[in-house]
Amino acid sequence: DGGITQSPKYLFRKEGQNVTLSCEQNLNHDAMYWYRQDPGQGLRLIYYSQIVNDFQKGDIAEGYSVSREKKESFPLTVTSAQKNPTAFYLCAVGVRSGYTFGSGTRLTVV
Amino acid sequence: AQTVTQSQPEMSVQEAETVTLSCTYDTSENNYYLFWYKQPPSRQMILVIRQEAYKQQNATENRFSVNFQKAAKSFSLKISDSQLGDTAMYFCAFMKPAASGTYKYIFGTGTRLKVLA
Repeated sequence: DGGITQSPKYLFRKEGQNVTLSCEQNLNHDAMYWYRQDPGQGLRLIYYSQIVNDFQKGDIAEGYSVSREKKESFPLTVTSAQKNPTAFYLCAVGVRSGYTFGSGTRLTVV
Repeated sequence: AQTVTQSQPEMSVQEAETVTLSCTYDTSENNYYLFWYKQPPSRQMILVIRQEAYKQQNATENRFSVNFQKAAKSFSLKISDSQLGDTAMYFCAFMKPAASGTYKYIFGTGTRLKVLA
């Protein structure tokens, strides 16, 4: 089935650690997006990529990094510079008709 | 900058009744799209309905319909014959296509809907 796979479903990070969230798609879409969801704040754009080897910062990119080496993959790294990383992270692919989202990764700092 | 406002943080409705969720937005653009997304307890985001701003006719998808008032910048969602499975967080979203072909959304803060048996 075509879709978006995010892994892991739950992730725990220790202070000072970098962690990487995986996002893989087989929908053959060019554009991929990472959003962060916090209670009461809706979804906020972290990074997006329109094409392989190119990506742009969103509204809250500080403390995050991404890569786009393959069309199918758009991993997000939460670095130690992100001071409040506990949140729900959603990956999406998008065309004019709407986004398709992955099932999300819940990241918790321990 | 565009903004999206959902003024009802929580709502409840009896099963089989009708409920309307409100959404207002602010933009100076003329060509844009509006969406309603549903996020059930599983947290999987699901597209409910979309509306192109250039279309005057309100979009409808089965029990879900919108009331799109472009001049008033209002985009409400009506759920008819509410079902227990409609219990979810509902997000209103605004999207203006960019020349580069990217589709960045502005999301509202959501309305938590509970359908009561």
